[in-house]
Amino acid sequence: NAGVTQTPKFRILKIGQSMTLQCAQDMNHNYMYWYRQDPGMGLKLIYYSVGAGITDKGEVPNGYNVSRSTTEDFPLRLELAAPSQTSVYFCASSYSLGGSQETQYFGPGTRLLVL
Amino acid sequence: GENVEQHPSTLSVQEGDSAVIKCTYSDSASNYFPWYKQELGKRPQLIIDIRSNVGEKKDQRIAVTLNKTAKHFSLHITETQPEDSAVYFCAASTYRGGADGLTFGKGTHLIIQP
Repeated sequence: NAGVTQTPKFRILKIGQSMTLQCAQDMNHNYMYWYRQDPGMGLKLIYYSVGAGITDKGEVPNGYNVSRSTTEDFPLRLELAAPSQTSVYFCASSYSLGGSQETQYFGPGTRLLVL
Repeated sequence: GENVEQHPSTLSVQEGDSAVIKCTYSDSASNYFPWYKQELGKRPQLIIDIRSNVGEKKDQRIAVTLNKTAKHFSLHITETQPEDSAVYFCAASTYRGGADGLTFGKGTHLIIQP
């Protein structure tokens, strides 16, 4: 298994541009998450999904959108990029039957620089 | 929402000594507490976790303790080694039949001095 994969690894955007960060997992996990990590800080939850077709906002959703059309993929869309969105973005996934929280596995991250 | 405080922000210990990192949380409904290790430029990786129905859990040189009454939990690393140098994050989650993600502390930079 490749686990959780993310593309691209690094991207530079100009202010106002848009882009989609890709995330895929091959572990048949039902839950997927997007976090951002600013320098020297912990991770903050942007959006999450408990299954295909279901998404919900996390702590810092403004400026982002997500979709979950399949179990495997969970893309994060940035519209009108701003310097405040410069960060490292991590996608994660986990599996739960509904009884308890389980281990979240993280992808390698996408480093985004907005200039 | 949940708030997780983590201390210290930097911890330097001699190789072979023990290291302790402490976290407090605000939401008494939180019931899952993982610890992640992150090396520079890498993804966070789970090293140990504990659930609210357990007071202590150990895995070789790593242990975690949870005090639900005081709403704090701690990571203990014994016999530290150079490869333990990294940033450690605590996190908390409230699972109410649907995942709502993890709330992370700001991290502790652990430095193992040779």
